[in-house]
Amino acid sequence: AQSVSQHNHHVILSEAASLELGCNYSYGGTVNLFWYVQYPGQHLQLLLKYFSGDPLVKGIKGFEAEFIKSKFSFNLRKPSVQWSDTAEYFCAVNAGAAGNKLTFGGGTRVLVKP
Amino acid sequence: EPEVTQTPSHQVTQMGQEVILRCVPISNHLYFYWYRQILGQKVEFLVSFYNNEISEKSEIFDDQFSVERPDGSNFTLKIRSTKLEDSAMYFCASRARSGNQPQHFGDGTRLSIL
Repeated sequence: AQSVSQHNHHVILSEAASLELGCNYSYGGTVNLFWYVQYPGQHLQLLLKYFSGDPLVKGIKGFEAEFIKSKFSFNLRKPSVQWSDTAEYFCAVNAGAAGNKLTFGGGTRVLVKP
Repeated sequence: EPEVTQTPSHQVTQMGQEVILRCVPISNHLYFYWYRQILGQKVEFLVSFYNNEISEKSEIFDDQFSVERPDGSNFTLKIRSTKLEDSAMYFCASRARSGNQPQHFGDGTRLSIL
């Protein structure tokens, strides 16, 4: 069975700092990878996705993620965060066909101090 | 941008009562999902639905749970006899049929069982 782990439960940083959130998954076959963000009081929104091709994926709001197959990782990065990036971030994986269920990591709460 | 909508936003129910959570997926989407998140835990897959039938369900989705698409727009989750441990945030998601498309999530329904 596939599983996803996110290394940090909480991250606190100041505006303009760089952000990197770790995500590792366990599954031996083809995977599709996602990062979702949940701003306070809002629904899960897609930040970026990887299905195939260039392992460096660019998403919305200046976020990017790199798929490293050998490390089973899909870490999320942003070079310079803003206060509005305060949210909870979820890594998710589905195995095989894109219509399959998502398996989520535990989420990382990010607090950006102004 | 079209959205997945869920009602109600908060449902309080006595243990043992039936509850129906409602979702209106994005109109041209054909894959539908329910997930839940117990407070402090991961988002967990419950069930996926395609072509008017369940395509996959998790161990959580036992005989107390059912899903239905009663008309062309709604997708419902019914819990027949609620238990305290059913208290959670329930998220509906939908996905377009073709290609590598991500799942789009609703705002969720917070279900509180007393």
